[in-house]
Amino acid sequence: EVQLVESGGALVHPGGSVRLSCAASGFTFDDYAMQWVRQGPGKGLEWVSLITWDGRETHYGESVRGRFTISRDNSKNSLYLEMNSLRTEDTGLYFCVKDNSGGSYPDHWGQGTLVTVSS
Amino acid sequence: EIVLTQSPEFQSVTPKEKVTITCRASESVYSSLHWYQQKPNQSPELVIKYGSPPSSGVPSRFRASGFGTDFTLTINSVEPEDAATYYCHHSASFPHAFGQGTKLEIE
Repeated sequence: EVQLVESGGALVHPGGSVRLSCAASGFTFDDYAMQWVRQGPGKGLEWVSLITWDGRETHYGESVRGRFTISRDNSKNSLYLEMNSLRTEDTGLYFCVKDNSGGSYPDHWGQGTLVTVSS
Repeated sequence: EIVLTQSPEFQSVTPKEKVTITCRASESVYSSLHWYQQKPNQSPELVIKYGSPPSSGVPSRFRASGFGTDFTLTINSVEPEDAATYYCHHSASFPHAFGQGTKLEIE
């Protein structure tokens, strides 16, 4: 059974930083691209970032490009999201998502970790 | 950047009615359009990928169609358990994106 467990969510001041982690199990982690998707309070889903299986390619949504960095450690079956220069509009639930293959659609989601950016 | 626009944003129906949700892309996404269901306080779940038959565990009353810029999710004979918000999602090019969502209420 695929399991994705996020951690690292926190209350952060505007301009601050936070690093999210995702522990993956139940599948061969380094066979798949991975993604982050977020959801603001009472809002819809927003695609954030994707990393290929080997970490060589990364892609970002317009609103986070240049501030967020996605990475992975295949030896630890773990995915990360480094979030810098945080803004209040970055507040939300951040989902770790398994891609179906090399950059297609999400097929499994974690439960999410909450990031709150507030002064 | 491709933008997805769903309609309607909210729909209220009674059980056994047929529901149609549309998703329009600002440019062609070919067949790379997928649908997700999110119930309150739950993570999203994949309903249909690439317009193919429903994913494993999804009832056969869910159907998707479309290609290019215009897509439809149809729920035949809707049931109370289908109350949720539905999102379309494209993976045609980067950045990927979601539609704004359609909240489906079952009276």
